[in-house]
Amino acid sequence: QQQVKQSPQSLIVQKGGISIINCAYENTAFDYFPWYQQFPGKGPALLIAIRPDVSEKKEGRFTISFNKSAKQFSLHIMDSQPGDSATYFCAASLLSGGYNKLIFGAGTRLAVHP
Amino acid sequence: NAGVTQTPKFRILKIGQSMTLQCAQDMNHNYMYWYRQDPGMGLKLIYYSVGAGITDKGEVPNGYNVSRSTTEYFPLRLELAAPSQTSVYFCASSYEIAGNNEQFFGPGTRLTVL
Repeated sequence: QQQVKQSPQSLIVQKGGISIINCAYENTAFDYFPWYQQFPGKGPALLIAIRPDVSEKKEGRFTISFNKSAKQFSLHIMDSQPGDSATYFCAASLLSGGYNKLIFGAGTRLAVHP
Repeated sequence: NAGVTQTPKFRILKIGQSMTLQCAQDMNHNYMYWYRQDPGMGLKLIYYSVGAGITDKGEVPNGYNVSRSTTEYFPLRLELAAPSQTSVYFCASSYEIAGNNEQFFGPGTRLTVL
């Protein structure tokens, strides 16, 4: 019940296209949904995050869409660029054991071709 | 600020050897974490700490130990290394206050056990 399922595993998009990565969860106690971006040889870094009281959050070319009733959320990258090529992890957080526990999806490897 | 630093970057161990992965942060974060990242599996929490002197097990603690004597340092100890511990290890930290869940990751340590 604490899993976060992420798809697809890998994604190839042409420059200028839209990249879409989807995640689903079961536990309605999750209260924070971040996306992390990881470049090869680096640690993950927070890209954008949303709380379940809003349905969409946009930061530049990156948008999170959140569907509370379906327990799904997705990352949209508009006008995808080769520099966006990275692995993207969705995550969900809930308070557990005195801290905000992060449950990560398995990751999506995005390649943006010029 | 250097953020979260980890040493070494790479290490090869023989089965049964021991080693300590070092992690330091200079952001005065109260919470620190150790994750392992296996291909296609996302990040799994090994241990976490909510402050100096306080540590607790995460999802996959077997074969590992931690200590946290100061706010800045959070070393991870592997005793009797096994091939199943071949992975990339990430240390992370966060300043846990209401509404702020962002975790900052180090660059990782790639460990191979042969």
